[in-house]
Amino acid sequence: NAGVTQTPKFRVLKTGQSMTLLCAQDMNHEYMYWYRQDPGMGLRLIHYSVGEGTTAKGEVPDGYNVSRLKKQNFLLGLESAAPSQTSVYFCASSRDRDYGYTFGSGTRLTVV
Amino acid sequence: AQTVTQSQPEMSVQEAETVTLSCTYDTSESDYYLFWYKQPPSRQMILVIRQEAYKQQNATENRFSVNFQKAAKSFSLKISDSQLGDAAMYFCAYRSARETSGSRLTFGEGTQLTVNP
Repeated sequence: NAGVTQTPKFRVLKTGQSMTLLCAQDMNHEYMYWYRQDPGMGLRLIHYSVGEGTTAKGEVPDGYNVSRLKKQNFLLGLESAAPSQTSVYFCASSRDRDYGYTFGSGTRLTVV
Repeated sequence: AQTVTQSQPEMSVQEAETVTLSCTYDTSESDYYLFWYKQPPSRQMILVIRQEAYKQQNATENRFSVNFQKAAKSFSLKISDSQLGDAAMYFCAYRSARETSGSRLTFGEGTQLTVNP
C-alpha cells in the first residue's frame, strides 16, 4: 500500500503564479487534511474534509482553496502565490477520530 | 479552542541516556486523545505513541513512554536508552473525541531533540 502520496515534493513559484498540490490516499479514509509547517509554529491546519464532496476551513485558510471530488483525492490550490506561502505542506488522512493521522511525505514550496 | 504547548524548543541527550520532552494542553473536554509524532530529517511524520484520556494507565511503546497527568493537562514523552536514530523534531498533538471541526489534530510547536554520541 502506498498510504498517502503527495505530489510534487518540491516546487518553486514566482509571486502571483498558481499551482495545485495533489494528495492521494488508498486506505479508504474519510477524513483528509492539509497542514502547513513553519519553523517554531508547528503544523497549522489549512483546510480539511470529512468525506467526499465536503470541505471546510481550518486555522489558516486565506489564500488557499481545496476540493475533494473523489474520496481518495484532496487537492490544495494556491490561486496567486505570495512569499508568505513559502512553507512545507503536509497532507494527512484518518480513518476516524479514534486514530492518529497517516501523513504524506510533504511538499516544500518556495515562493520568490 | 484547544491549544498545545511545548515549552522546550530544543533538547539534547547523550546516547543511551533518558530524556523527557514536555507538553501541556488546554481543553475543556473530558474525552480526547493525545499523540506524539516524530519528524526525522527525512521530513516524514511518524506516530510514536497514542494515549486515550479515559485510560489512567500511561501508554508505552518499547523505549517510549508517556506520563499523562490529566488534571494537570500534561503529557510528557520519555525516551529511554536514547539512540542516534531518535534525533528528530517531536510534536505533541491533541484530538477531541467528539465529532467537532473535522476531528482535527492540534499540534504543539515542536521540540528538536539532538542525540550526542
